[in-house]
Amino acid sequence: TQLLEQSPQFLSIQEGENLTVYCNSSSVFSSLQWYRQEPGEGPVLLVTVVTGGEVKKLKRLTFQFGDARKDSSLHITAAQPGDTGLYLCAGVRAGTASKLTFGTGTRLQVTL
Amino acid sequence: GAGVSQSPSNKVTEKGKDVELRCDPISGHTALYWYRQSLGQGLEFLIYFQGNSAPDKSGLPSDRFSAERTGGSVSTLTIQRTQQEDSAVYLCASSFSRVLNYEQYFGPGTRLTVT
Repeated sequence: TQLLEQSPQFLSIQEGENLTVYCNSSSVFSSLQWYRQEPGEGPVLLVTVVTGGEVKKLKRLTFQFGDARKDSSLHITAAQPGDTGLYLCAGVRAGTASKLTFGTGTRLQVTL
Repeated sequence: GAGVSQSPSNKVTEKGKDVELRCDPISGHTALYWYRQSLGQGLEFLIYFQGNSAPDKSGLPSDRFSAERTGGSVSTLTIQRTQQEDSAVYLCASSFSRVLNYEQYFGPGTRLTVT
């Protein structure tokens, strides 16, 4: 059983469409991060959210941390081909000194 | 500044041979992670080093896999008697651990192909 489940697993959309990726868990997290990985490269950190209900925006990307700090979402407005990649959420369970745990990943393909 | 580096970038080996993969973390980072990523899949945690603490080896898939971190810096992941199912990209990441909410910085990975 994965600690962090992402949905959808795959997403293929056309340029200009909007989309939302979800990251869910039954555990509470002290913080959640989102990474994007492009082919042939390692994942790169996009954002970290630490407060329940927090919303952060990065250009056309909007990240939200759930009020109970058990889930997060990533919304992309007017997707572009450059948004193509593997999106990974990751977090550390609250009250533990455990390692960062990654989600199952969402592969996004944006076509012209 | 210099990021996380990994070597080699690509490795092709014959089944049954041993391989060593190297990771040079960002200077000053106390935590170092190894992950495995099969084609198009998410990250599979392998092992975690944190300062001088005993490493968390809970993700190593078999006793053919081992890793060490010398002097709190460079790490080597060793796979003995390689099998075809070991073919994957092996990623290394480092972080300041609890500082900056565990943000991880990844290397470009080593693509291992076992023939």
